[in-house]
Amino acid sequence: EDQVTQSPEALRLQEGESSSLNCSYTVSGLRGLFWYRQDPGKGPEFLFTLYSAGEEKEKERLKATLTKKESFLHITAPKPEDSATYLCAVRPYGGSQGNLIFGKGTKLSVKP
Amino acid sequence: NAGVTQTPKFRILKIGQSMTLQCTQDMNHNYMYWYRQDPGMGLKLIYYSVGAGITDKGEVPNGYNVSRSTTEDFPLRLELAAPSQTSVYFCAGSNRNTEAFFGQGTRLTVV
Repeated sequence: EDQVTQSPEALRLQEGESSSLNCSYTVSGLRGLFWYRQDPGKGPEFLFTLYSAGEEKEKERLKATLTKKESFLHITAPKPEDSATYLCAVRPYGGSQGNLIFGKGTKLSVKP
Repeated sequence: NAGVTQTPKFRILKIGQSMTLQCTQDMNHNYMYWYRQDPGMGLKLIYYSVGAGITDKGEVPNGYNVSRSTTEDFPLRLELAAPSQTSVYFCAGSNRNTEAFFGQGTRLTVV
């Protein structure tokens, strides 16, 4: 069964304290892996797409990496405005066309 | 540039009532999706569509129906609302193998 597991469930950081969020996935084949940010009361906001192992994407303080079994979202010197829930999703080969399978998310809090 | 637009933003229904959640997109996406999000449970796929006239069930379709008469619109119909359908509903659109873009959600309470 295709599934996505994110860890930790919650993460508290001090401003400037770098860390990483993990997304482990089990799929028969990977069409793509996606990272989203979700603020309270809002819809998920797209951050990155990764398609193959070894691929990396960066945007401001965020960097996403991909291996054959997991993806990491590295946050460098975070600021309070980075506080949000970060969601990981995979689109597997086979099964329902175009289906995105989501993890439960990591809730990040950055304190000043 | 509106993107994916959902209406209404909030709704309270009584048990047994019906309603339609509206979703429209102006991004020319072939694929459209309906998800529900419950606290601590992540996003669960209800229905999806790969193009006008084509719909298919997702992981949690019971109690819902959809239609896709145009590329732009993908309404979600709730028949005989139940407390278990209290949730936040998100509509999204994408093209094949690309990222999905989400609407701002509809918060539904069934009492």
